[in-house]
Amino acid sequence: SQQGEEDPQALSIQEGENATMNCSYKTSINNLQWYRQNSGRGLVHLILIRSNEREKHSGRLRVTLDTSKKSSSLLITASRAADTASYFCATDAYYKLSFGAGTTVTVRA
Amino acid sequence: IAGITQAPTSQILAAGRRMTLRCTQDMRHNAMYWYRQDLGLGLRLIHYSNTAGTTGKGEVPDGYSVSRANTDDFPLTLASAVPSQTSVYFCARFWRQETQYFGPGTRLLVL
Repeated sequence: SQQGEEDPQALSIQEGENATMNCSYKTSINNLQWYRQNSGRGLVHLILIRSNEREKHSGRLRVTLDTSKKSSSLLITASRAADTASYFCATDAYYKLSFGAGTTVTVRA
Repeated sequence: IAGITQAPTSQILAAGRRMTLRCTQDMRHNAMYWYRQDLGLGLRLIHYSNTAGTTGKGEVPDGYSVSRANTDDFPLTLASAVPSQTSVYFCARFWRQETQYFGPGTRLLVL
């Protein structure tokens, strides 16, 4: 069964707005990762946050992790049309990833 | 970034036929993975290999087999395809830290 669940399933925002999506998981993890997928292509790694970290930044991305609630959030600031994609969280236990079903983000010009 | 190649890009297959999806990496990383992606379900791990000569089962291994004769190649075989194996298949390899680098995928339709 899948470890992670993203919320919402879909998100539509205006260019320049922020996009926030959440991920909940079930069991203990070593780290949590976020990936992006454009139009059915292969997934691309965005950011990794370890179980002993609470927040991490990379460019316009901000990830938080709350291990007590078993949840994570991904914030994309100042969204652009190129951010239109599906975003997946993946939990890592011993070098095997378990993915959620993803959040589809549409950024309107 | 050096990559992963997958072949074929897409395939239509009659049920009951045998099919091998090919995956080749050029970075000589040990760990490689096969996933399937179905609409609304994200990616599910089929099989993995931590090093040449070893393989392991993932979440949905039934109906699939893999081999790892060398570091670079990790083929996935469907011995007798069924319509429920219609999916997009992604091969991945270990990238850096604990992340993975994905190939472009193979779209398979089993009729």
